[in-house]
Amino acid sequence: AQSVAQPEDQVNVAEGNPLTVKCTYSVSGNPYLFWYVQYPNRGLQFLLKYITGDNLVKGSYGFEAEFNKSQTSFHLKKPSALVSDSALYFCAVRAARSNDYKLSFGAGTTVTVRA
Amino acid sequence: NAGVTQTPKFQVLKTGQSMTLQCAQDMNHEYMSWYRQDPGMGLRLIHYSVGAGITDQGEVPNGYNVSRSTTEDFPLRLLSAAPSQTSVYFCASARGNEQFFGPGTRLTVL
Repeated sequence: AQSVAQPEDQVNVAEGNPLTVKCTYSVSGNPYLFWYVQYPNRGLQFLLKYITGDNLVKGSYGFEAEFNKSQTSFHLKKPSALVSDSALYFCAVRAARSNDYKLSFGAGTTVTVRA
Repeated sequence: NAGVTQTPKFQVLKTGQSMTLQCAQDMNHEYMSWYRQDPGMGLRLIHYSVGAGITDQGEVPNGYNVSRSTTEDFPLRLLSAAPSQTSVYFCASARGNEQFFGPGTRLTVL
């Protein structure tokens, strides 16, 4: 079975400060890892993914994430948060098998960036 | 190229009513899936399909039926709606490492 844990329901930061959203995962074999963002009353928007290669992945809107295999983590980071980054963030994992697309999502972390 | 489309956007049902949530994609993806999103629980997989004529259950399939007669369409049927099925439903299609989500259907069962 595969699963994702996002240990923080909420993250609050001041604008201009670094933002980190934590994610740990469990999967059989190698993982494919994803971050999605959801703004109020909207669908899911893809931010970034880790498939293979460099452990530091850069994505949309200045976000990046670091894959750490030994700690089974894939934390999302942004060096300088904006008020517009306030949203619900989901981490997701799937097994790195070509015929298995099933994603498992974390419960989500609500990010609030105050001006 | 419309991507993944879902209809309706909003729906209110009474307990016991039936309805079908529609999902279509124009990217010729073999894999399609349905998720439900509930507060504090993330997205949970309901059913999925790896191609026309092939469907399988996900994590929370009870109360839902699916069929896949064409590559493009993957409807989700609620045969007898229950208040526990109040949720936001997302359809997705995938190819390779990319998964594409529809805009969602917000369903309320009274």
